[in-house]
Amino acid sequence: DQQVKQNSPSLSVQEGRISILNCDYTNSMFDYFLWYKKYPAEGPTFLISISSIKDKNEDGRFTVFLNKSAKHLSLHIVPSQPGDSAVYFCAATGNQFYFGTGTSLTVIP
Amino acid sequence: DTGVSQDPRHKITKRGQNVTFRCDPISEHNRLYWYRQTLGQGPEFLTYFQNEAQLEKSRLLSDRFSAERPKGSFSTLEIQRTEQGDSAMYLCASSSDGEVDEQYFGPGTRLTVT
Repeated sequence: DQQVKQNSPSLSVQEGRISILNCDYTNSMFDYFLWYKKYPAEGPTFLISISSIKDKNEDGRFTVFLNKSAKHLSLHIVPSQPGDSAVYFCAATGNQFYFGTGTSLTVIP
Repeated sequence: DTGVSQDPRHKITKRGQNVTFRCDPISEHNRLYWYRQTLGQGPEFLTYFQNEAQLEKSRLLSDRFSAERPKGSFSTLEIQRTEQGDSAMYLCASSSDGEVDEQYFGPGTRLTVT
């Protein structure tokens, strides 16, 4: 069963605009949520995380929002840059680590 | 330290053969993870080590799969009697003790079973 879901396989955004990537989860016992970025032929790279007791975490151009009642988190990238083009995975931790299926972001110059 | 390394990067094997992959984590990291990733999917958790102790195993890890981390440093993942369904990217990650399990991934080993 897919405990972490990313329902949008792809997203295209103009450079300078906001990118919003969404993720839904089913298990209310997850402790932390993380976002990873992946370029072709490389392993995923950690981007930002949020504890289950918080609702927002910001790091530069990246902000993650957590809505526990809706079991939903989102990653906002603003302003988007062409170098942000990659596949983004959300992940959740409990006793194991669960990844979503990824969203391919394309930032158009 | 240049990060997590995996060897080999690519492996082609015939069905029924055994294969072994190696992962060298970041030296100060005591946690080590193995994942499998197939096309269009996110990484799927296989197993996790805290130092040399294997603490969690996914139900995806069938009897044909075994992982070791004998001295709490590098780890090996062996697949016996490979099947075509084992074809995937095998990722290793490591992390240090901490509140947030920020994992650093290696480049992966791509296995093709013919």
